[in-house]
Amino acid sequence: ELKVEQNPLFLSMQEGKNYTIYCNYSTTSDRLYWYRQDPGKSLESLFVLLSNGAVKQEGRLMASLDTKARLSTLHITAAVHDLSATYFCAVEDNTDKLIFGTGTRLQVFP
Amino acid sequence: SQTIHQWPATLVQPVGSPLSLECTVEGTSNPNLYWYRQAAGRGLQLLFYSVGIGQISSEVPQNLSASRPQDRQFILSSKKLLLSDSGFYLCAWSVYRGKGPNTEAFFGQGTRLTVV
Repeated sequence: ELKVEQNPLFLSMQEGKNYTIYCNYSTTSDRLYWYRQDPGKSLESLFVLLSNGAVKQEGRLMASLDTKARLSTLHITAAVHDLSATYFCAVEDNTDKLIFGTGTRLQVFP
Repeated sequence: SQTIHQWPATLVQPVGSPLSLECTVEGTSNPNLYWYRQAAGRGLQLLFYSVGIGQISSEVPQNLSASRPQDRQFILSSKKLLLSDSGFYLCAWSVYRGKGPNTEAFFGQGTRLTVV
């Protein structure tokens, strides 16, 4: 059974700082997703990573995938307040089920 | 372009009443469809997923059921709601594996259900 773990669960960081969120999964997969959720809202797709070594960047966020280590990272560069949200990774197993991590609640303060 | 519609946005229902939440997808065919529930401040729990009409997989034993009467329609139901059914329900779709490398999974706007 596929399990997806994220850490940290909660992250409070100062504007301008860098940090990384980690997503580990337990079984082989070649599809990993990152989502953002604002309070009371649905999920917004950020990145889809489809192969080992894939790296995608959008603004201050960069996601990477290491399928051999079963690890994805979401790196935040020079954080700004607008990035405050909860971030989820999700992994698709070989039956097309999409399993989510526990989420990382990010708060960026001045 | 592909879109997903989910309604209603909010719902307050008494304990023991029935439930029907509907989700429809436009602009694609044979999508995978999912129902998730999110408790306040928590992660997403996969409830049901479907890879085709009439094909439903249940992930968690509960008093909820799902149906897929048409290719792009996914319905979440309950005959009698419990207090513990309160939460934020999200429908999602993804392109079926094998139809191209650029697959993504998109979410509806969600239904906030409060059982009172």
